[in-house]
Amino acid sequence: SQTIHQWPATLVQPVGSPLSLECTVEGTSNPNLYWYRQAAGRGLQLLFYSVGIGQISSEVPQNLSASRPQDRQFILSSKKLLLSDSGFYLCAWSQWEGNTEAFFGQGTRLTVV
Amino acid sequence: QQQVKQSPQSLIVQKGGISIINCAYENTAFDYFPWYQQFPGKGPALLIAIRPDVSEKKEGRFTISFNKSAKQFSLHIMDSQPGDSATYFCAARRDSNYQLIWGAGTKLIIKP
Repeated sequence: SQTIHQWPATLVQPVGSPLSLECTVEGTSNPNLYWYRQAAGRGLQLLFYSVGIGQISSEVPQNLSASRPQDRQFILSSKKLLLSDSGFYLCAWSQWEGNTEAFFGQGTRLTVV
Repeated sequence: QQQVKQSPQSLIVQKGGISIINCAYENTAFDYFPWYQQFPGKGPALLIAIRPDVSEKKEGRFTISFNKSAKQFSLHIMDSQPGDSATYFCAARRDSNYQLIWGAGTKLIIKP
């Protein structure tokens, strides 16, 4: 069966510090991968999606970047965090063909102080 | 045209009552409409989904009603229970596209 791992679960970082959040998927190959951000009490904002290794599409201009160094690994990064980067970050995957359900990780609660 | 509008933003229902959440869309190319359930501190999980070739889909206490001509779909939770208290998101997608377009979410509270 497929599983998605996202870590860390919580993170407190000072303004100006770098960020690296990692997401890995097991049990499937060539998945579509997504990074979402959810502000408190708000909906889901798609940040990045990837349909293959090294292929990243950005949905909104921001202080963040994403990379996919391996088929089932998706990394969200920032060189210098801003207060506005605080939020709940969710990684998700879906099958590359046919099945359209998205499966989410448990999320990372990021607080920038 | 890419938006999915969800209402209400929050909803309080008595235990045993019917919870109804509504969504509307503009893009007639959408052909997959899921509902996700999210508990605090967790990622959303698929609850139920429908395609526009049917007007209703039922799974246990959860039903999606779909009105293609009105471009609206809704989630009905029958016999609502305190364990149903969560945030619910509707979404829409074209099969040829990799992205789900999300509604803003509805925070549902079931009072015992």
